[in-house]
Amino acid sequence: VQLVESGGDVVQPGKSLRLSCAASGFTFSNYAMHWVRQAPGKGLEWVAAIYDDGTHKFYTDSVKGRFTISRDNSKNTLYLQMNSLRVEDRAIYYCARDLTLARGVISGPVDYWGQGSLVTVSS
Amino acid sequence: DIRMTQSPTSLSASVGDRVTITCRASQSFSNCLNWYQQKVGMAPKLLIYAASTSLSGVPSRFSGTVSGTDFTLTISSLEPEDFATYFCQQSCTTPFTFGPGTTVDVK
Repeated sequence: VQLVESGGDVVQPGKSLRLSCAASGFTFSNYAMHWVRQAPGKGLEWVAAIYDDGTHKFYTDSVKGRFTISRDNSKNTLYLQMNSLRVEDRAIYYCARDLTLARGVISGPVDYWGQGSLVTVSS
Repeated sequence: DIRMTQSPTSLSASVGDRVTITCRASQSFSNCLNWYQQKVGMAPKLLIYAASTSLSGVPSRFSGTVSGTDFTLTISSLEPEDFATYFCQQSCTTPFTFGPGTTVDVK
């Protein structure tokens, strides 16, 4: 199993950025996926999750209406579109696989993580 | 949202010590509680899910228990590679909130 994030950058407040996560080594379309972030030197914050088929999406309150999680199962890729970025969105963003191999389920624990992609929001 | 707290915030221990970390939720729930280990500069690693089920490959010195609303991670005999930060996470309801973490460092 391998998860490789990309797209992290330095952007100004109010701007947009899209993160990608390329998955390999497992049947991507069979698993729900998550984004989890970590501000430098801080704790973990769950950001969003998406069903294996992309039909259901869930977000933490602080990103609702600004971030969109999506996936392309034909490309084995997970995305996080981040709009109206704020200084407080600065963090390492991890892509992670849900533990449970099951259709139409998000169980919550995540068993594989990418290496993370750094997003810096600064004027 | 369910708020998670952990105690202690940090602890100093020696190799061979028994270490206990506690996680408490702002609302009661059953066993949808997970434990992760994170070393500096690395992604977290899932140790235990559903309160007490160890992920395959996790050393048996790691165990999780629940008593009422208190969830506990125990390391029965600390090994050098166990010095790290440990996070709990509830996965009963979104947002799947994490605790603030407990750092285990060298005494």
